[in-house]
Order: sequence, then structure tokens, then C-alpha cells
Amino acid sequence: AQSVTQLDSHVSVSEGTPVLLRCNYSSSYSPSLFWYVQHPNKGLQLLLKYTSAATLVKGINGFEAEFKKSETSFHLTKPSAHMSDAAEYFCVVIKGATDKLIFGTGTRLQVFP
Amino acid sequence: GAVVSQHPSWVICKSGTSVKIECRSLDFQATTMFWYRQFPKQSLMLMATSNEGSKATYEQGVEKDKFLINHASLTLSTLTVTSAHPEDSSFYICSARGDGEETQYFGPGTRLLVL
Repeated sequence: AQSVTQLDSHVSVSEGTPVLLRCNYSSSYSPSLFWYVQHPNKGLQLLLKYTSAATLVKGINGFEAEFKKSETSFHLTKPSAHMSDAAEYFCVVIKGATDKLIFGTGTRLQVFP
Repeated sequence: GAVVSQHPSWVICKSGTSVKIECRSLDFQATTMFWYRQFPKQSLMLMATSNEGSKATYEQGVEKDKFLINHASLTLSTLTVTSAHPEDSSFYICSARGDGEETQYFGPGTRLLVL
């Protein structure tokens, strides 16, 4: 069965420093993985997705994620955090033939000035 | 592209009344739409999946007679919370997906408060 685990419920960084949000997945075959961002009281915005093409995926707003099969990881990174990056981030995998999304528990990113 | 809207963005209603929430795909045809519920500081919980022109498929534990879903066109799905009670207060989010696509695009959400 497919699942994702977000290893940190909260991450705090200073503005201008790198961001690392960790996600590990479990899947019996090559998964489709997504990162979504949710700002307070808003819907979810797609940051990026991996669908078995390039292992390094570039998304919007300077974010990128690397699919590492050997580590079953899909960590989200950004070289330099901005105040506007403060939000909740969800790692998501598609559940097999049903095409339903399975969400991680989310990581809240705080950015301090 | 791939914009999904929801209306209303927030609604307050009295206990026992019904509330309708609309979800529209603005620039693409959504063969499948999904309805989620999100409790404070929690992840999203899938309530139901609807395909255009057919009955919605509800997740286990979701009352289909309480949460009526209609997907009458390729750009519109509605969720009606019937006889709402305070425990139905929540943030409801829809998403839409085009034919043959994997990616779901989410609406901005509707916050429902039942008094």
C-alpha cells in the first residue's frame, strides 16, 4: 500500500537560509509524488510533482525536490527562505489504481526575519 | 491555467438548515472532482469522489444522505450539507482533475460554521 511520512511537524528557519522539508514514501511500484503548499485559510497549491521522469523536480517559487529510490525519499528544498514561504506543506502520493491522493500529516514551516 | 474556484468562501448558518457549496473548474474540463474536509491543524480527509454525470462515490464513514454531491457538468460540482449541525463546522475543499490526468487542482476552500 502507498503511504507518505513527513518526518517533521514543524520546521523553523531564518529568512535567507535553506529550507529542507522531509518526506519518505512507501510504495510497491514507482509512485507519483507531489508537494502541495497551503497558506492559512486557503486551498492547496501545487508546488511540484514527480512522475518517473527526471529525479530532480523543479517547482514554483524556487522549490525543488529530489526523488531518491534507494532512500525512498522525496524531500523538498529551497536554497533561500522567504517570509512568504511560511505555510503548511503536504507531501502526497497517489494511491494505486484508485488515483486517490494520500496526504502526509503536513509540515508547518515558520520563517523568522 | 488549472484554476478551481469555490463559492462561498465562508458561510455561517443555523443548525438544521442546508448549505450548498459550489466548486468550479474555470479553465479546464474536470471529469473528476473530489471533496475533502479539513479539521484545524490536520491534514485533508477525502469525503467523496464524483465523476461527471454519475453518482458520487463516498468514503467509508461519510454519510451520503447528509453530504449530497452533484457533478452535473464538466465544470461544476456542488456539495450540499443537509440539516447541518455544529459538528459539521469545518473547512471544505474541493479539487478537480482533467480526463487522463493525475494532478488534482484545489479550490481555495469554504469555511462552514454552524451555530
